[in-house]
Amino acid sequence: DTEVTQTPKHLVMGMTNKKSLKCEQHMGHRAMYWYKQKAKKPPELMFVYSYEKLSINESVPSRFSPECPNSSLLNLHLHALQPEDSALYLCASSGGGYNEQFFGPGTRLTVL
Amino acid sequence: DQQVKQNSPSLSVQEGRISILNCDYTNSMFDYFLWYKKYPAEGPTFLISISSIKDKNEDGRFTVFLNKSAKHLSLHIVPSQPGDSAVYFCAASEVDAGNMLTFGGGTRLMVKP
Repeated sequence: DTEVTQTPKHLVMGMTNKKSLKCEQHMGHRAMYWYKQKAKKPPELMFVYSYEKLSINESVPSRFSPECPNSSLLNLHLHALQPEDSALYLCASSGGGYNEQFFGPGTRLTVL
Repeated sequence: DQQVKQNSPSLSVQEGRISILNCDYTNSMFDYFLWYKKYPAEGPTFLISISSIKDKNEDGRFTVFLNKSAKHLSLHIVPSQPGDSAVYFCAASEVDAGNMLTFGGGTRLMVKP
């Protein structure tokens, strides 16, 4: 199974809502990532989890809160987002080292 | 400051011919380079990679070339097929520094039948 799954596929939320994005992989990968992609732009790294611990936070605002409940799951909790946070949120996982990152299909987020 | 650049935003090629996509980088600490293909509203799909100890890697119709002295890599697709039409992203990472991917801006490839 070389698949990364993400739910929901689409999400519309207001600026006062609290929602969560979910990501799952069953490849035994110990590194998991959140990326944000705006239209016509490349993916930009947000967070890196290594062995279930947050190892890198690329200066992401605190309204985005990642969580890694176990080695297969990665969540991104959203609260008080702004309309400019509307984007495609991509999750990825990797076996580390000289191994590629596998990406999920993404969650298309719209903040009204 | 863009550390990974793809200077051609788009490329149009006839079916059966060679497609050459280019990528330049500035960070000499990058030691692992990847190409991803992306369709709209989908996640990137891994195509091929190369580590800095090699100058060429081949997988079927896809070949990646790395010129470390020029800090340049290229992806060759031959023969090109209409199904190859997509946005191609070059990415680079420093493996011992968390293996974070830095992406280029992407090149939209259109293969005409």
